[in-house]
Order: sequence, then structure tokens, then C-alpha cells
Amino acid sequence: GNSVTQMEGPVTLSEEAFLTINCTYTATGYPSLFWYVQYPGEGLQLLLKATKADDKGSNKGFEATYRKETTSFHLEKGSVQVSDSAVYFCALSWVSNFGNEKLTFGTGTRLTIIP
Amino acid sequence: EPEVTQTPSHQVTQMGQEVILRCVPISNHLYFYWYRQILGQKVEFLVSFYNNEISEKSEIFDDQFSVERPDGSNFTLKIRSTKLEDSAMYFCATKWGQETYEQYFGPGTRLTVT
Repeated sequence: GNSVTQMEGPVTLSEEAFLTINCTYTATGYPSLFWYVQYPGEGLQLLLKATKADDKGSNKGFEATYRKETTSFHLEKGSVQVSDSAVYFCALSWVSNFGNEKLTFGTGTRLTIIP
Repeated sequence: EPEVTQTPSHQVTQMGQEVILRCVPISNHLYFYWYRQILGQKVEFLVSFYNNEISEKSEIFDDQFSVERPDGSNFTLKIRSTKLEDSAMYFCATKWGQETYEQYFGPGTRLTVT
């Protein structure tokens, strides 16, 4: 089946540190890959996406590259800010046998940035 | 920017009681979803809804669960007789069309069953 495994949290970093949150997936076919972010008290927001192998998604200084050979979609940011503190979810999108698009999520990684 | 809203933000109920969780989708969206996240576990798909009917449901979505759009705007999830294991965060998500990939999520309702 389709599944996503992401780095256990919580992760605590100092401001301006380099961030990596690992995500690997198992899927049949050619899924699309996503990172969602959840800020305190808010819903899940799409941070970035990649729809095919070697695509790089980027937004707000975050990047992730769809690596088919390693089945990975690691999230990176060169210099984190306090405002990046949130829970980050890796997810994949696939079409079921009924023709419906579905999202499968990882467990989420809580990131805290300290000044 | 349009957003998905959910009410209540937190619901506490006793085991065996019925609960209704409400979602107001973005106005021109046609596809609706419910997900849940038990504390410390993954966000799990429950059900998808399109054209006033369920298009797909997961194994979790048993006869105790139902969804509807009672007035063409709200999208509700009903749990008829809650169990302790129904305690979770429930997220509503909506999207405009079948070919678009982004699902827009609401802030969630935290359901606590005692």
C-alpha cells in the first residue's frame, strides 16, 4: 500500500540554523508529493508540492526534491526563523481504484525555533 | 483569502452520545473530505464526498459515521454513538476540481470522548 514515513519529532533548532526534515514514501504508480504545515491554532496549509520525479517544490525558503531513486522528499531550509515553528506533514497523493484522489500523511514533525 | 472553517474547535462528549462536526467549505469547491488524527498518530483519510454522495470511504468510516451537506453550504460529519477511540482531531478539507491537487484544510475540531 501507500505510506509515508517522516522524521520523528520534536525538532528544536536555533534561529538561522539549517533545517532538514526527512520523508520517505512507499507507493505504487507515480504519486504527487507534498509538504503541509500547521501553525498553532490553524489548519493544514500546503507548503510545497512536486508532481513528478526530479521536480523541486519551493516556497517561503523551503525546498524539497522528489527523488524517485531513494523514494524521498526531504524538506530543507537554509536559515530558519522563529516564525517557522509549526508542525510539518509530508504527504502523498494517489488515485484510488475508484478514481478518487486521496492523501496519505506522515505523522508530522513538530519544529520549534528558539531565538 | 478564502478559507475552510470548522466548528466547534473543541467538543467534549460522553461515550454513546451523538456528535456533529461542522465544516464550511470554500464556496466554489466541489470535493469534500474528512480526515482524522488520533493524538500522536498519522492523519488518516475517512471519507470523500462529491455531487452529494460519498465517493469513497475508508475502513474506519463504519456505520457509526455519516456525512451530508444539509443546506448546500455546511458539510457535516456525524458520529452516532461515540466511543472512547473516536477521540481525535478531525479535519475537513475541500478542493475545487478533480484535476487540482491542493486540498484546503480547516483548522480542525478536537473531539474528546469521556
